[in-house]
Order: sequence, then structure tokens, then C-alpha cells
Amino acid sequence: EVQLVESGGGLVQPGGSLRLSCAASGFTFSSYWMTWVRQAPGKGLEWVANINQGGSVKYYVDSVKGRFTISRDDAKNSLYLQMNSLRAEDTAVYYCAKIGYNGWEFDYWGQGTLVTVSS
Amino acid sequence: QSVLTQPPSASGTPGQRVTISCSGSSSNIGSKTVNWYQQLPGTAPKLLIYSNNQRPSGVPERFSGSKSGTSASLAISGLQSEDEADYYCAAWDDSLIGVLFGGGTKLTVL
Repeated sequence: EVQLVESGGGLVQPGGSLRLSCAASGFTFSSYWMTWVRQAPGKGLEWVANINQGGSVKYYVDSVKGRFTISRDDAKNSLYLQMNSLRAEDTAVYYCAKIGYNGWEFDYWGQGTLVTVSS
Repeated sequence: QSVLTQPPSASGTPGQRVTISCSGSSSNIGSKTVNWYQQLPGTAPKLLIYSNNQRPSGVPERFSGSKSGTSASLAISGLQSEDEADYYCAAWDDSLIGVLFGGGTKLTVL
């Protein structure tokens, strides 16, 4: 059974940093692209970043470029999101998801971790 | 600016058929496949339809997807109360160089 478990969320002040983790199990983690998606309170889904197998290719939404870094450790079956220079508008539930092989479909999702940026 | 446009709300009575539209452009739906997600209240999203019209294992046949040109649709037949959820379309966008989500449609079962 595929499982994705996020951790690392919490309350952080504007300008601060936070590192999210996503522990994967139940599939060959190293064989798949992975992604982070966020959802602000009461709002829709927003794609944040993708990373390929091996971590050599990364894509980001414009609003986080230069501030967020997606990475992975295939030996630990883990995905990460390093978030720096956090802003109030980054407040959201952050989901990690596995990307399928067909057309950028996010076929399995974690339960999410809440990041709150506030003073 | 790349956008996928969905109606903010939709509704139907049990047993009815409802459709949710998703309008895009040549840089996304027009040239890429569309995926649909269902988000039940208080839960994480779940993949409902991939590659325009394919259902993952376990998704009932009453959920179907289609695409024509720069638009896509999700149809739900035999509407049930447990279908009350938010529905999102998504596609890769060549201008964004990333994945674009629609704004979401809140489905109410009356």
C-alpha cells in the first residue's frame, strides 16, 4: 500500500524558514517524479514544485522560485521542501504526492501538513 | 496568464447526472492531458480521472471524463450524497512550465 506521510509543519514568523519532509513507502520511490501541492485555508489547490527521479530536474511555481527548494533522498525514501523567506501568503496545508507515468497525474497524496506564517 | 476555469459551484439531486467544465488554452488542455481530483470535506485530494478519461482502480464507472479542444469535462451519473465534494481539473502548462489547477468546483447534492 502506497503511503505518504508529511511532517515539519508549524507556526513560523514572516521571513523565517521551515523544512517539510515526506516519508514514502509501498512503492519504489526512486522510480517516480514527486511533487508538493499546497492549499491555503478555504482556497483551492496550488501546485508548488516537482522533482524528477534522481533529483536533477526541478520545476517551481513562480511565486516560490528563489525561496523554496525541493529535494529528495532516495536512500531514505524521503521528499523535502526547504522553505525560506516565508510570507503570510505561504500559509497553507502542504501535500506531497507521487506522480504517475501517464500525464503528470498525482496518483497518491499524503494527508498534508499545515504551515502557518504569522507574527 | 495561464488559467484553468471551472464554475465555482454545481448541484444536483440524487440519481441525476451532473457535469463540471474546465476551460483552458492551447498551452495546457489544448496540448496536454487533463486530470481530475476529488476532495471530500476535510480530506486530502484523490485522483479521480487521469489522461482525460481514464479511471484509476477503485473509482466507480459513474465518473467519466472527456476533452475537446481546449476544454474538458467531468461527468458524474447516478449522483450520490457521498459525491458532495470539491472537484479540481489540472493539466501541465507549457507557458508556466508546471502544473496548473483549476479553481475548483464545489458540488452540492440536494
